[in-house]
Amino acid sequence: QSALTQPRSVSGSPGQSVTISCTGSSSDVGSYNYVSWYQQHPGKAPKLTIFDVSKRPSGVPDRFSGSKSGNTASLSISGLQTEDEADYYCCSYAGTYASWVFGGGTKLSVL
Amino acid sequence: EVQLVQSGAEVKKPGESLKISCKASGYSFTNYWIVWVRQMPGKGLEYMGVFYPGDSDTRYSPSFQGQVTISADKSIRTAYLQWSSLKASDTAMYYCARLGVGETAAGPPSYWGQGTLVTVSS
Repeated sequence: QSALTQPRSVSGSPGQSVTISCTGSSSDVGSYNYVSWYQQHPGKAPKLTIFDVSKRPSGVPDRFSGSKSGNTASLSISGLQTEDEADYYCCSYAGTYASWVFGGGTKLSVL
Repeated sequence: EVQLVQSGAEVKKPGESLKISCKASGYSFTNYWIVWVRQMPGKGLEYMGVFYPGDSDTRYSPSFQGQVTISADKSIRTAYLQWSSLKASDTAMYYCARLGVGETAAGPPSYWGQGTLVTVSS
């Protein structure tokens, strides 16, 4: 099972918007609406930010949104804040035996 | 409140065995899958495998099949990840996580432990 493909880095200024893409295949992202996104600050555990493509867990600001088209999912962050600077990972369900696959991660810099 | 508390950092030599733990609280332990995730230094997250404490159903990523063993003790609500012979390349942070958001059992890794750093060095 190959890792999902994410850009290595993206950047934006405070107040701007950014979008991070996550490209998989018809075996994972394209077949299931079970794409999730995680925010990870240095030295911390990942934090669930988006699940089931576009749902936000309680406590996650609505500046974070998710979408999917075909084999590619996207995480959008609007109104960038300095605390959004972190690594972001996508994750997709990949079937009963492959279970879950992660993306390689994207480093978001808020300049 | 769902909590997963992992055992502390370990320093081991190549060839040694190791078992790290993940103690769950705040939910019905036997009704939710537990996943283990590896993060090598400076690298991304890697899915290792999942375990269902209700019936001990275990599924491994092909990359980790035969390399580690995932198990749990329902009586003490604790999941385990173990190695029989460590290699230097096993040096990484290891996270456990519960699948499912809220009371929904099906779903992504949602509640994460704090991680256990394993260092393997001669």
